[in-house]
Amino acid sequence: SQQGEEDPQALSIQEGENATMNCSYKTSINNLQWYRQNSGRGLVHLILIRSNEREKHSGRLRVTLDTSKKSSSLLITASRAADTASYFCATDENTDKLIFGTGTRLQVFP
Amino acid sequence: SAVISQKPSRDICQRGTSLTIQCQVDSQVTMMFWYRQQPGQSLTLIATANQGSEATYESGFVIDKFPISRPNLTFSTLTVSNMSPEDSSIYLCSVQGHWGYTFGSGTRLTVV
Repeated sequence: SQQGEEDPQALSIQEGENATMNCSYKTSINNLQWYRQNSGRGLVHLILIRSNEREKHSGRLRVTLDTSKKSSSLLITASRAADTASYFCATDENTDKLIFGTGTRLQVFP
Repeated sequence: SAVISQKPSRDICQRGTSLTIQCQVDSQVTMMFWYRQQPGQSLTLIATANQGSEATYESGFVIDKFPISRPNLTFSTLTVSNMSPEDSSIYLCSVQGHWGYTFGSGTRLTVV
């Protein structure tokens, strides 16, 4: 089952621009995570934000969480061509298992 | 974090046959999971592999189609049975530890 939706489904930007992806989920959570997947490759963990946190930063990444709206956003600043990938949010539904969102395909043009 | 060895990395199989995918972890972990990623789609959880007991399947997945073994805390297998072209996907195992989650590199299955 899919926990929630991500939008946009696809995003194309130029290098240097910022990319924002949104994730909505359905149930209460302990934490929300963001992953990156390059085409045909494995998942890379980007960042985890706990349900009692509202914002978190890691390098060029900024994640926000609004538990009242059951939504999160991932902002990538000053994007690079190497950021081209699919991005997924994942939530734990207050359990040990991770449920993934539908994903956003990001294309960054040089 | 743990290191996962998943085998095979890819396979092409005839319809009606079965394929067993192996997931070996370099340390003991309590929680192991199996996911399916259909072409162009996100990851869908198939089941939680429980050590010493039957796996817990998610809605839409059944044991007869996806039997899972978990003989110990470092190893699990997923079998895709009686395959059809619709089973062509990437299958990934995942483990949870104190560090968070680790994913295997996946098995790319093509059914012809």
